[in-house]
Amino acid sequence: GNSVTQMEGPVTLSEEAFLTINCTYTATGYPSLFWYVQYPGEGLQLLLKATKADDKGSNKGFEATYRKETTSFHLEKGSVQVSDSAVYFCALSPQGGSEKLVFGKGTKLTVNP
Amino acid sequence: EAEVAQSPRYKITEKSQAVAFWCDPISGHATLYWYRQILGQGPELLVQFQDESVVDDSQLPKDRFSAERLKGVDSTLKIQPAELGDSAMYLCASSLGQAADTQYFGPGTRLTVL
Repeated sequence: GNSVTQMEGPVTLSEEAFLTINCTYTATGYPSLFWYVQYPGEGLQLLLKATKADDKGSNKGFEATYRKETTSFHLEKGSVQVSDSAVYFCALSPQGGSEKLVFGKGTKLTVNP
Repeated sequence: EAEVAQSPRYKITEKSQAVAFWCDPISGHATLYWYRQILGQGPELLVQFQDESVVDDSQLPKDRFSAERLKGVDSTLKIQPAELGDSAMYLCASSLGQAADTQYFGPGTRLTVL
């Protein structure tokens, strides 16, 4: 079946540190891949997405590259800010089926000043 | 900017009672989703609508949960009777309905069953 595995949290960093949150997936065919972010007390917001192998999604300084060979979609940011503190979810949408999202468990990021 | 609306934001109920949640998607979005997010977990799809038709309800506990989208616009999710294990965040999302379209999420309804 389809599944997403994210690195366990929580992750605590100092401001301006480099961020990596690992995400790997299991799916048949070529799913679309997403990172969503959930700020405290809010719903999920799309952060970035990639729809085919080797695509790079980017937004607000965050990047992730769709790696078919390693079935990965790791999230990176070169210099985190306190305002990046949130829970980050990796998700996939299976190829050719309904558009439903299959989510990982989420990784809580806390950035300290 | 258009948003997905949900109400109520918080609901506390006793087990065996009935509860209902409402969602108003972004205007023009044909596809509507209800997800359940248990604390510390990622959201899991309960039901997906395309216009007024159910596309996927394979993970909906149909003995106690029901969902409808009568006119293909807003939607209601009902639980009757509520059980302790139903305590969770219930998220509604909508999209235009094409493959890999962005799903826009509402703020959710936090349900606590006592």
